[in-house]
Amino acid sequence: DADVTQTPRNRITKTGKRIMLECSQTKGHDRMYWYRQDPGLGLRLIYYSFDVKDINKGEISDGYSVSRQAQAKFSLSLESAIPNQTALYFCATSDSSPGQGRFNYGYTFGSGTRLTVV
Amino acid sequence: GQSLEQPSEVTAVEGAIVQINCTYQTSGFYGLSWYQQHDGGAPTFLSYNALDGLEETGRFSSFLSRSDSYGYLLLQELQMKDSASYFCAALYNFNKFYFGSGTKLNVKP
Repeated sequence: DADVTQTPRNRITKTGKRIMLECSQTKGHDRMYWYRQDPGLGLRLIYYSFDVKDINKGEISDGYSVSRQAQAKFSLSLESAIPNQTALYFCATSDSSPGQGRFNYGYTFGSGTRLTVV
Repeated sequence: GQSLEQPSEVTAVEGAIVQINCTYQTSGFYGLSWYQQHDGGAPTFLSYNALDGLEETGRFSSFLSRSDSYGYLLLQELQMKDSASYFCAALYNFNKFYFGSGTKLNVKP
């Protein structure tokens, strides 16, 4: 089984609909993130959470909300989807210790959700 | 947000060496990571540098110079399977990474 699982893998939805993207992880990591990827723009941070009671906005949080239901689960919602939210969405996790001199601190990404809003 | 600069595309031949550069903003900077992403796939972690110098992992190496706000990914003995996009990502304030726009590497026979 994948360490970070995203559902659904693909979704087409209509403008104005509410949609939830889900992420679960078996890494045991405290930190979870939602990123959006658009062609030519790299990955941009939507929201992140360092534990169940901690939620923080990223660069592009407008139009999105999140819920950290448990240490292993972090969901992203689009309250009223619009076409410019069409993108590839990635969930990522990391542990909590980017200590000085560490050589392997980074994210583990899920396989992504391709969302199309029509 | 913090901006990172990297070339949009690089082309090289099989067996060659290629270097992908990345510059970043220094305020709050803590470390630099590199990720590989094949078309339609998830980014996968390649390396992380928190200290100046070169880190080598097989055919891939990553370098960081804090004084120059600069790093690079070096890919040696290129193979066709290395054709992918490569992203640098800078860690700021111990808590989140900002990503560059990615460099598409085309490896030709």
